[in-house]
Amino acid sequence: KAGVTQTPRYLIKTRGQQVTLSCSPISGHRSVSWYQQTPGQGLQFLFEYFSETQRNKGNFPGRFSGRQFSNSRSEMNVSTLELGDSALYLCASSLAASGFQETQYFGPGTRLLVL
Amino acid sequence: AQSVTQPDIHITVSEGASLELRCNYSYGATPYLFWYVQSPGQGLQLLLKYFSGDTLVQGIKGFEAEFKRSQSSFNLRKPSVHWSDAAEYFCAVGTNQAGTALIFGKGTTLSVSS
Repeated sequence: KAGVTQTPRYLIKTRGQQVTLSCSPISGHRSVSWYQQTPGQGLQFLFEYFSETQRNKGNFPGRFSGRQFSNSRSEMNVSTLELGDSALYLCASSLAASGFQETQYFGPGTRLLVL
Repeated sequence: AQSVTQPDIHITVSEGASLELRCNYSYGATPYLFWYVQSPGQGLQLLLKYFSGDTLVQGIKGFEAEFKRSQSSFNLRKPSVHWSDAAEYFCAVGTNQAGTALIFGKGTTLSVSS
């Protein structure tokens, strides 16, 4: 069974640009969560989507948004990039019909560098 | 608010020696507890999890963790470390109050010396 796939793996952008990251969950998984990982703040929850609906949202500015498609693939978008958005963005998928009872599986991440 | 503390930023252990990584959480009720491992350039891999029941849980790769409610701790242990265990280890907490969001500690980097 294929794991969680994230594309692209690496990305370089400049301040003010916007970026879209993609996550394809494990087949059959309907929940996709996004996390930002930085050396200073560690791993922080961005948002979670389940059946195309945002089910939970972390404490990030509105520049960070996401969506989920009917095939459970998810995208996250960051507009008006700032230097501080440089991070590893991790996606996790699970069956997650009922919270934590299902294991979350993480993808390899997209490393974003903002110059 | 919920929080997770991993007091040790970096630990070095000799190959074959035992390992204990500390994790303390702050939450009023019993949370869902997890340990993940991250190798360089990789995503996170779940080592083990605790929801309820037996407070000693077994995981993959020979790891185990013990939930101690009185100490709000969930320490990870391994009796004999292998060089391939060198990685970064994250303790995480999940609570029903936060949906399915995991709250992670800052991580402990494990180095293994020969």
